[in-house]
Parts: sequence; C-alpha cells; structure tokens
Amino acid sequence: KNEVEQSPQNLTAQEGEFITINCSYSVGISALHWLQQHPGGGIVSLFMLSSGKKKHGRLIATINIQEKHSSLHITASHPRDSAVYICAVRLSGGATNKLIFGTGTLLAVQP
Amino acid sequence: NAGVTQTPKFQVLKTGQSMTLQCAQDMNHNSMYWYRQDPGMGLRLIYYSASEGTTDKGEVPNGYNVSRLNKREFSLRLESAAPSQTSVYFCASEILPYNSPLHFGNGTRLTVT
Repeated sequence: KNEVEQSPQNLTAQEGEFITINCSYSVGISALHWLQQHPGGGIVSLFMLSSGKKKHGRLIATINIQEKHSSLHITASHPRDSAVYICAVRLSGGATNKLIFGTGTLLAVQP
Repeated sequence: NAGVTQTPKFQVLKTGQSMTLQCAQDMNHNSMYWYRQDPGMGLRLIYYSASEGTTDKGEVPNGYNVSRLNKREFSLRLESAAPSQTSVYFCASEILPYNSPLHFGNGTRLTVT
C-alpha cells in the first residue's frame, strides 16, 4: 500500500462544477503540499499546509491531521483548471527533507 | 527573477551515452533536489543537496551522480544512459526551514534508446 493515496485518479467535470480531490496518508507528517502540473508543463506549488485550511482564489485546501486526510477543492471550475493535481507529504522526525508524492489526480474540466 | 531554470527541455540518448542535466535557481535557496517522474508513479527522489557542498542519495540514485557546484547550481549526470532512465526529470529547490513552498523547474524529457 502506498504511503500517500489520492482519489480519484481521474476526474472529468463540467465547467462551473465544484470539485474535490482527496489525499490520504499513512505516515507522520510535518506538512502537506498540493501541487499542480499542466500537461507537458512544469510543477507549481499551490498550497503548503500543516493544519486547518487555506484559500487562494477559487482553490481551498484543508487538512485533518488526526484523520491523516487532506482535500483540495476547486469552486466554479474552469477548463484552465485542467491539470494533474499532486499531493505530497513531508515526513516528520529526522527525515525532514524527505517528501513522498502521490501519483496524482488527472482533472479535465469540459466547457 | 527566473525561479528554477532547468536545461535541456528534451534529450534523446543512445544506450551508453552520457549527459548532464543542468539546474540553477536564483532564489538563494539552500536545498535542491532532483526527481524523476514515471507514468503511474509519484515523483521519486534521485539525489538532494541540503546545502552548498553537500549531496545525499535519495530513493533511486543508481546510475546517477550529482554536483552542487555552488549555492545556485545543482547538476545531474548520467554516466552511461540506460533505457530504464527514460523519464521526465525535475529539479526543485526550497529555502530552509523545510516547511516552505517547493519551486520546480519545467522538467527535462529524456528518452534513452
């Protein structure tokens, strides 16, 4: 079993829909990152969370440390949101440089 | 402010050839990383450098070497390329303390035939 699991693996939505992508992890962490990767493109950091909730524009990220779960929400989705969304966790303890990445959620938003 | 600059963007090698992937950041970051991205797998750490003058192995270091030339630059070398090294390679950097955003380069798509 992977230490970081994302769901769903693939998601198709209609423009304007509310989207949720989930990330569950099984290790102790000091922080969780959400990243965005457009097709053929580089990777951009969206959020870094260690507790609670963060919002940036139409994107909202939440984390529940006790349940070892994080969600990324996109409100009023748009075709330009089509990308792979990647969850990554930074291990707590000694290996603080180590990040474990999920395999990503491929989101397609249709007009 | 260019962020993380990675070159080349694309490369095709024959088995046994060598090459160096270049990475430079202009954000005064201490830590730099090389990852590879393969279909169906999460990013995997090849090597990292926590600070200038230090390098350490990650999960998948075999077949690679690195050099942290100075604070800005961190290069990845394939001495004798193999088809199993066909992948997309990303350089990343961050500033200490560790809980800060990661900055990635645009990636290098490498094919080894």
